[in-house]
Amino acid sequence: DQQVKQNSPSLSVQEGRISILNCDYTNSMFDYFLWYKKYPAEGPTFLISISSIKDKNEDGRFTVFLNKSAKHLSLHIVPSQPGDSAVYFCAAQGGNKLVFGAGTILRVKS
Amino acid sequence: NAGVTQTPKFRILKIGQSMTLQCTQDMNHNYMYWYRQDPGMGLKLIYYSVGAGITDKGEVPNGYNVSRSTTEDFPLRLELAAPSQTSVYFCASSGGWGDQPQHFGDGTRLSIL
Repeated sequence: DQQVKQNSPSLSVQEGRISILNCDYTNSMFDYFLWYKKYPAEGPTFLISISSIKDKNEDGRFTVFLNKSAKHLSLHIVPSQPGDSAVYFCAAQGGNKLVFGAGTILRVKS
Repeated sequence: NAGVTQTPKFRILKIGQSMTLQCTQDMNHNYMYWYRQDPGMGLKLIYYSVGAGITDKGEVPNGYNVSRSTTEDFPLRLELAAPSQTSVYFCASSGGWGDQPQHFGDGTRLSIL
């Protein structure tokens, strides 16, 4: 039973353009949503989060949008840079558990 | 600035052997976690701890044990290694829940043959 789904296994974007990574969840009790970035042979690194009481959070080139009615969140990266190429994990927190999606591989082409 | 340190980075075990994956953090975090990541999958929580002396099961605890005798250390023990435990294991720590993100180590790649 996948409570957090990232339906796109991979995404390829041209440098300078916008990258949009999507995530869907099923449990309405989740109260925080986080995005992590992971490079090969390294652990995930926290990128940005959003509380369930907000619909948008911005940090530099990264913006996360939350649509609670649709149980959907997205991460926007503008402008995309080659160094952004990594695996991006969406995670949802409820109670004392953090549930991860399967990840989306982002490739930014220069 | 060490953060979360995991040892070893790689290990090959034979079926039925035992081993302990070490994890230590220097951020004085009360909360620590163990995850496993299988190919093409997200991270799944094995065990977690909210403080020294307190541990609890996550989503996939079978075949593993943990202990938390100090704030810094949270070792994960495999008693009888099975091929299904071949995975990459990540340890993480955080200052709490909510808006306090988890900080991860670089992982231990474990193969059971």
